[in-house]
Amino acid sequence: GAVVSQHPSWVICKSGTSVKIECRSLDFQATTMFWYRQFPKQSLMLMATSNEGSKATYEQGVEKDKFLINHASLTLSTLTVTSAHPEDSSFYICSAARSGSYEQYFGPGTRLTVT
Amino acid sequence: AQTVTQSQPEMSVQEAETVTLSCTYDTSESDYYLFWYKQPPSRQMILVIRQEAYKQQNATENRFSVNFQKAAKSFSLKISDSQLGDAAMYFCAYRSANQGGSEKLVFGKGTKLTVNP
Repeated sequence: GAVVSQHPSWVICKSGTSVKIECRSLDFQATTMFWYRQFPKQSLMLMATSNEGSKATYEQGVEKDKFLINHASLTLSTLTVTSAHPEDSSFYICSAARSGSYEQYFGPGTRLTVT
Repeated sequence: AQTVTQSQPEMSVQEAETVTLSCTYDTSESDYYLFWYKQPPSRQMILVIRQEAYKQQNATENRFSVNFQKAAKSFSLKISDSQLGDAAMYFCAYRSANQGGSEKLVFGKGTKLTVNP
């Protein structure tokens, strides 16, 4: 149990376009989802925390107008990178947690390349 | 704010040998959780082991065990009988357990483990 999926696993987009990444909890209800960004050979950097039905809480330095997060249901959160630029190219990972649980379950990640 | 420090960017071990990865953390909280995650080349984060701070007994999971020293704020991971499949990045992480505390995981910078045949 506790499987989290991400779609797509890899996406290439042109500079200036927007791209949406989906994160789904497949066999449990996720009251909280987290979005991370990871550069090569670096650690995970938390971008934002989202609770179902609420606005996401962004970490300091993360542009909320650029990285739009929606947590519309207990099984789905989306991250939209708007007006993407090459410097947004990175590996994006989501995780999900059940209500009252301290454990986060991680998705397999999405590689974004902006050309 | 809590911080997690992994002072070993890279470690290597011979197959079947034992290796210990270090992790220290800083917090003023009394109740928290500590985790070790493994990230293989596939980049899927895999939970290796967890420790609740209120438990004095060190957690073990098969070949993986921790040495949790609460007073010293140290949380090292020991891998026994190392296998080629253990090669990965290992991240130490902290999470508050306080009511109303942050749900966020605070990660260290990671240790790259190489297993030599």
